[in-house]
Amino acid sequence: QQQVKQSPQSLIVQKGGISIINCAYENTAFDYFPWYQQFPGKGPALLIAIRPDVSEKKEGRFTISFNKSAKQFSLHIMDSQPGDSATYFCAAGIYSGAGSYQLTFGKGTKLSVIP
Amino acid sequence: NAGVTQTPKFQVLKTGQSMTLQCAQDMNHEYMSWYRQDPGMGLRLIHYSVGAGITDQGEVPNGYNVSRSTTEDFPLRLLSAAPSQTSVYFCASRGRGRETQYFGPGTRLLVL
Repeated sequence: QQQVKQSPQSLIVQKGGISIINCAYENTAFDYFPWYQQFPGKGPALLIAIRPDVSEKKEGRFTISFNKSAKQFSLHIMDSQPGDSATYFCAAGIYSGAGSYQLTFGKGTKLSVIP
Repeated sequence: NAGVTQTPKFQVLKTGQSMTLQCAQDMNHEYMSWYRQDPGMGLRLIHYSVGAGITDQGEVPNGYNVSRSTTEDFPLRLLSAAPSQTSVYFCASRGRGRETQYFGPGTRLLVL
């Protein structure tokens, strides 16, 4: 069973602080690691993604750190803002043939950024 | 460009009733998927399609049927609804050779 374990389930951070969400996977065949952001009542939207050939990717205030040997990856949100309050899902993708990636999602982290 | 659209937004069914959740995309994406989202369970793949006429099962396919007669549409059918199918359903699509998956706004289903 392919699994992606995400922690914590919920996170409260003060405005301006750093939010850190962690994920771990088991299957070394995974080769695509995206993070999705979901606001209440909306569908998830791709936030940032990384391939296993790099250890870090940064886009604005959002950074993915990837540790291939430990089979772990994490999302860091710098200078967290109340507008970042959402549920965040990590996922891992594996090429399944016919040009298709299948994503396995973590269970999500509800982030609340308080003023 | 509307992206991925889903109808209805909300539906209440009685146990044993059938219904179809509609999903359409106008981005000419080959790959489409259905997920269900339950509290504390993340997103679980129900069925997916790699192109018109081709579908396959995901992690939780029981109780659901799909078909893909056109590139644009990927309906999800519940043949005999059960309370365990109460969930929020998301449709998603992705272009060939692209990694970004686009999700629709979701359909909230309540089965009594």
